[in-house]
This record gives sequence, structure tokens and C-alpha cells, in this order.
Amino acid sequence: AQSVAQPEDQVNVAEGNPLTVKCTYSVSGNPYLFWYVQYPNRGLQFLLKYITGDNLVKGSYGFEAEFNKSQTSFHLKKPSALVSDSALYFCAVRDENYGQNFVFGPGTRLSVLP
Amino acid sequence: SQTIHQWPATLVQPVGSPLSLECTVEGTSNPNLYWYRQAAGRGLQLLFYSVGIGQISSEVPQNLSASRPQDRQFILSSKKLLLSDSGFYLCAWSVPGVRQYFGPGTRLTVT
Repeated sequence: AQSVAQPEDQVNVAEGNPLTVKCTYSVSGNPYLFWYVQYPNRGLQFLLKYITGDNLVKGSYGFEAEFNKSQTSFHLKKPSALVSDSALYFCAVRDENYGQNFVFGPGTRLSVLP
Repeated sequence: SQTIHQWPATLVQPVGSPLSLECTVEGTSNPNLYWYRQAAGRGLQLLFYSVGIGQISSEVPQNLSASRPQDRQFILSSKKLLLSDSGFYLCAWSVPGVRQYFGPGTRLTVT
């Protein structure tokens, strides 16, 4: 079975500081990994994905994520946080051996303080 | 370009009333379609997904049902709503194996 963990319910960071939102996963086959962001009362917006290739993936709005196979992690990072980055962030995984289901983590609420 | 629509945007319904939420996708063919429910602004619960017309997989047994009468139309229904059905309902589509695209969501409040 596939699963995703986001160990932090809430992450607070000062504007201009680097941010990290953590994600670990469990799959039986090769993982397809995704990050999405959600603003209040909106649908999820895609940030980036890892399918294969370079472990460091760059995405929208200056975000990037690093795939670490040995640690089964896919942490989201940004070098300099903006107040407008405050939102709910979801990590998701699809197991190549498990059909078309995407499994989402519980979400991490990011607050960037001015 | 592809777009996904959901309606209504908000809905307030009494307990025991029926429900019909609609999702349509434009600009793509034979997408995989998904219904999720999100409670209290947190995690997503996959309710149903469909890989083709008339093909529905249910992930969570409950009083909801889904149908796909056309290739790019996905409907979520209930005959009798419960208080616990309140939440934010999200429709999504994907090309098999690639990322998902989410609709704007429907806020359902059951009173």
C-alpha cells in the first residue's frame, strides 16, 4: 500500500528566511511524487513533480523539492519565503504499481510572518 | 487548453435531502476523473475515481455515489444527506500517469 506523511501540521517562518515543508512516503514500486498548494476556499494548485531524472526538482513560484530515495523523502523548499506563500501544502504520491490512485498527505499549514 | 468546472460553488442543504454535484472537463479526452472530500481545511479523502465512461471505483463506503455519463462529466450524488457529508468537495482530472488538475471546489453545508 502507498502512504504519505507530513510530520508537521504547522510551519512558521519569517519572511525572507528559507522554508522547508517535510514529506515522507511509502510505496512498493517507483514513486511519482507531487507538491500542491491550496489557498482558502480554492482548489489545489500544482507546484512540482518528480517522476524520474534529477533528484532536485524546480517548480512554480520559486519552490523546489529534493527526492531522496534512501530516506523516502520529498521535502519542499524555498530559499526566501514570502508572506504570500502562506497556505496549505500537500504532498502526494502515486505508486507505479498501484493503478491510478494518488495518495495525499494530511497537509502542512505554512505561515510566513512579516 | 484544458479547464475543469465544478458547480455549484456553494450549497446549503438540509439533512435528508438529495445531492447532485457536477464536474466537467474541457480540452482533453478520456481523462481519469476523481472526487475528493476535504474536511475542516485539511487532508483530502478520495471518494471515487473513474478511468472511463461508466467505470467507477469507490474508495470509501458511504451514502454517496458517483456516475460518469459522458467522457468528461463526473457527477457526485446522494439520495439522503447526512450532517457528516458537510465539507469541501474537489473534482480532479489527470492524464494517466501524470499530474492531477483540480477544480475550484464546492462548499457543501448540511444543516
